[in-house]
Amino acid sequence: EAQVTQNPRYLITVTGKKLTVTCSQNMNHEYMSWYRQDPGLGLRQIYYSMNVEVTDKGDVPEGYKVSRKEKRNFPLILESPSPNQTSLYFCASSRRQAFTVDYEQYFGPGTRLTVT
Amino acid sequence: GEDVEQSLFLSVREGDSSVINCTYTDSSSTYLYWYKQEPGAGLQLLTYIFSNMDMKQDQRLTVLLNKKDKHLSLRIADTQTGDSAIYFCAEKGDSSYKLIFGSGTRLLVRP
Repeated sequence: EAQVTQNPRYLITVTGKKLTVTCSQNMNHEYMSWYRQDPGLGLRQIYYSMNVEVTDKGDVPEGYKVSRKEKRNFPLILESPSPNQTSLYFCASSRRQAFTVDYEQYFGPGTRLTVT
Repeated sequence: GEDVEQSLFLSVREGDSSVINCTYTDSSSTYLYWYKQEPGAGLQLLTYIFSNMDMKQDQRLTVLLNKKDKHLSLRIADTQTGDSAIYFCAEKGDSSYKLIFGSGTRLLVRP
């Protein structure tokens, strides 16, 4: 089954304790992306990657890091989480086409993070 | 910059039609989407429409696109309690990597 998986699905942590949210896709997609969802703001892009070892900032990258060492995985790293990073996080993937990405993006189930 | 706006809340009675509206600002939007998010769940792509189309119908769902006014709507016929969810409008330009989402419309279906 084609899917995007995220782990963990729920996480409660304390300020300053480094954490990683994993994202994996089994569709051989070149493009992967992280979004955060906050009430009244919809989803906003944090980082994206067009291929292995190619990453770039989205609209709200502050406080986050990513890496793309393998095509299937795109972990989101919070080196020193703060309460304003409490949010619902979604990973997405898509095929790359020429200089852009395919119109259809596949989303993971989401990770609900609470930072106290 | 790019912006997508939706009303925050809609309440309808079971069996009625629901119409969720969305406006966007980017005239280069090529793809427009409707996603559904049920409580505690991820995002489900409901339907999408290309900018060269005016209407798309898929079973109970009808999407209308008015490019001149940059207005997109989703009509759900015979709304059921299982349709209660948050509905997100999103757009993507042809050369863009990301989806631009609206803030979501919470649909409540009353029995």
